[in-house]
Amino acid sequence: EAQVTQNPRYLITVTGKKLTVTCSQNMNHEYMSWYRQDPGLGLRQIYYSMNVEVTDKGDVPEGYKVSRKEKRNFPLILESPSPNQTSLYFCASSLRQGLYNEQFFGPGTRLTVL
Amino acid sequence: KNEVEQSPQNLTAQEGEFITINCSYSVGISALHWLQQHPGGGIVSLFMLSSGKKKHGRLIATINIQEKHSSLHITASHPRDSAVYICAVLNPGNQFYFGTGTSLTVIP
Repeated sequence: EAQVTQNPRYLITVTGKKLTVTCSQNMNHEYMSWYRQDPGLGLRQIYYSMNVEVTDKGDVPEGYKVSRKEKRNFPLILESPSPNQTSLYFCASSLRQGLYNEQFFGPGTRLTVL
Repeated sequence: KNEVEQSPQNLTAQEGEFITINCSYSVGISALHWLQQHPGGGIVSLFMLSSGKKKHGRLIATINIQEKHSSLHITASHPRDSAVYICAVLNPGNQFYFGTGTSLTVIP
């Protein structure tokens, strides 16, 4: 089944404890992206990747890192999480970026930083 | 700054009503997407467009590039259409900007 998977789905952690949220797609998509969703602010793009070894900052990259060493994986790294990074995170992918390329979203990861 | 504005924020309709959700944007775009977020949180893509009009079943999306405005219409609304509808624009630099969403409730 074609899908985007994220792990973990739920995570409660403490300030400063490094964490990684994994994202994987099995559709051979070139474009992958991370978003966070907060009440009243909607979805905001954190980082995106046009292809392997190519990553770019989105609207809210501060406090996050990403890597794209393989086409299928795009992990989101929080080196020193803070409470303001408590949010719902979505990973998404599309074949490539452009008009007729539908984005497929992962199920979301709910992160709480205490 | 809000590159994408949606209205209304909340909408309640009776089953069978015609529904319109509006999206205005202030940046140059390559494409505009309409997304649907289910009550369980999952997000699916409904439409991608850069001009004119598209139709899938009871859903119609239109865009006016000159006015920087798009509308999502739902004909003969049904309770299963209850969801949050999100407008997103893709700029020429391949970045996405999102509206805050319209929460739709369709009452039987």
